[in-house]
Amino acid sequence: KAGVTQTPRYLIKTRGQQVTLSCSPISGHRSVSWYQQTPGQGLQFLFEYFSETQRNKGNFPGRFSGRQFSNSRSEMNVSTLELGDSALYLCASSATGEANSPLHFGNGTRLTVT
Amino acid sequence: AQSVTQLGSHVSVSEGALVLLRCNYSSSVPPYLFWYVQYPNQGLQLLLKYTTGATLVKGINGFEAEFKKSETSFHLTKPSAHMSDAAEYFCAVSDLNSSASKIIFGSGTRLSIRP
Repeated sequence: KAGVTQTPRYLIKTRGQQVTLSCSPISGHRSVSWYQQTPGQGLQFLFEYFSETQRNKGNFPGRFSGRQFSNSRSEMNVSTLELGDSALYLCASSATGEANSPLHFGNGTRLTVT
Repeated sequence: AQSVTQLGSHVSVSEGALVLLRCNYSSSVPPYLFWYVQYPNQGLQLLLKYTTGATLVKGINGFEAEFKKSETSFHLTKPSAHMSDAAEYFCAVSDLNSSASKIIFGSGTRLSIRP
């Protein structure tokens, strides 16, 4: 099975712009989660989508949004970029979305905001 | 709220030496426990997990971890370090009735291997 695929791998944007990141989960996985990873804050949960519905949400401002399509592919959007949004954004899929179901991560999108 | 503590943000061992990475969790009810590894410029990869049953869990690449309820610990070990083990390791916990996405990650331990 193919793993979790994230595109693009690298992005450089300017403050105020918006960006869309894409994630294709493992085939058959219905749960897709997004995380922000920074050296200072570590791994922080953004949101989870399950069967096209946002099921859980972390503590991020409304500038961060996402969606999931019927084929389970997910996109994450960040509007009005700030310097502090520079981070590695990781997508993870889970077979069942239950607590004992491990997360399978993509290699991430490294976003740099200048 | 559930929390995870990884003792030591950086651990350095010699090649061939024992690797011990420490992890303690805060829940009074044993949660599900995981260890993930992250190599440079990559995402996280599952090393092993404890859900129920045997408290000594074997994972990939020769790693294992032991769930000790009395100590609320889930330390990761490997008898003999290899250069390829250099990476960042994350301990994580999930509450029993939670969802996979609400997993709590520790702050990570960077493992360096000396030749």
